Amino acid sequence: EVQLVESGGGLVKPGGSLRLSCAASGFTFTNAWMNWVRQAPGKGLEWVGRIISKTDGGTTDYAAPVKGRFTVSRDDSTNTLYLQMNSLKTEDTAVYYCTTDRPAWGYAGDYWGQGTLVTVSS
Amino acid sequence: EIVLTQSPGTLSLSPGERATLSCRASQSFSSSYLAWYQQKPGQAPRLLIYGASSRASGIPDRFSGSGSGTDFTLTISRLEPEDFAVYYCQQYGSSPRLYTFGQGTKLEIK
Repeated sequence: EVQLVESGGGLVKPGGSLRLSCAASGFTFTNAWMNWVRQAPGKGLEWVGRIISKTDGGTTDYAAPVKGRFTVSRDDSTNTLYLQMNSLKTEDTAVYYCTTDRPAWGYAGDYWGQGTLVTVSS
Repeated sequence: EIVLTQSPGTLSLSPGERATLSCRASQSFSSSYLAWYQQKPGQAPRLLIYGASSRASGIPDRFSGSGSGTDFTLTISRLEPEDFAVYYCQQYGSSPRLYTFGQGTKLEIK
């Protein structure tokens, strides 16, 4: 059974930093392309960033609002995806989901974690 | 950058009825890159449809997707009580905005 379990969310002040983790199991994480998607309270879904597998190059891409502040990384030895968030703003307040990416399915997100809430407030 | 506009914003129907949800893009793209998700309150989104018309694993056949170019549709043939939720369409594009979501359609019980 595929499982994605996010952790690391919490309350942080504007300008602060936070690192989210996503523990993956039930599939070959080494080969997986992974995304972070967020959802502000009462709002829709917003893509944050992606990392592809190391075998496919390991490159990352970011949405414009977070580029230069957020970093997606992965540790294939522990099947863990990370999101390092720096210079946080109040508008970064959201539930953050990690999702798998299925290139063969048109890059649809076939599995999602339960999400972790990040609140940026003074 | 492509903008996805979903309509209606809210759809009020009764169980057993047919639901038709629309997703319109600001410019044409390959239907291979259009997906639909369902999200219930307090839950993560769930993939329903990929490639505009292919059902994901375990999705009931009352859900179907269609469309091409700029106009895409999610149809639920006979609504079950568990189908009342928010639905999002999503497009895969090109850098820097790889993934774009529509704003969502809330399907509520009439």
